[in-house]
Amino acid sequence: AQSVTQLDSQVPVFEEAPVELRCNYSSSVSVYLFWYVQYPNQGLQLLLKYLSGSTLVESINGFEAEFNKSQTSFHLRKPSVHISDTAEYFCAAQHGGATNKLIFGTGTLLAVQP
Amino acid sequence: EAGVTQFPSHSVIEKGQTVTLRCDPISGHDNLYWYRRVMGKEIKFLLHFVKESKQDESGMPNNRFLAERTGGTYSTLKVQPAELEDSGVYFCASSQWAGSTDTQYFGPGTRLTVL
Repeated sequence: AQSVTQLDSQVPVFEEAPVELRCNYSSSVSVYLFWYVQYPNQGLQLLLKYLSGSTLVESINGFEAEFNKSQTSFHLRKPSVHISDTAEYFCAAQHGGATNKLIFGTGTLLAVQP
Repeated sequence: EAGVTQFPSHSVIEKGQTVTLRCDPISGHDNLYWYRRVMGKEIKFLLHFVKESKQDESGMPNNRFLAERTGGTYSTLKVQPAELEDSGVYFCASSQWAGSTDTQYFGPGTRLTVL
């Protein structure tokens, strides 16, 4: 079965520290990969996506993710986090076929502390 | 441009009652998706509309759930009768086309609590 695994349910980190949120996908899943973020009391927002080409993709607010086919991973990183990055982060893969339904991981709550 | 909107934001009902959730996609988006997150678990796909047609309803849990999209604009998701395990957050998303470079835009979700 196709699946996306986020190994950490919560990641506490101090402000200005680096962070990595882990995501692994099953090899049968389409290689279109996404990170979504949900800030408190808001909907899901697309943070970044990998479709093809360069394996390193970046967001406008300093996050980056690297597609690693051999390790079937798509970890999200940021070198220095801010309080405002506190949110829940979801890794997702796009199911191939006539429908582009997304397969999500269970989410990682990033809690940035001062 | 207005984003995806969902109504209500919260709903608390008793087991056996009926609830109808509404989603208004971004104007011009032909694709509309429903997803659900049960507490502590992953967000799961329910179904996909292309305009008014159901493209994929493989994620619908059972026949107590009925989704419609009359006229290819807004969509409703009715749960009748509601059970305890239906509690969760229901998300709606829309996109302009179902291609590999398409982006699904999500609404804020409806939190459903069945007592």
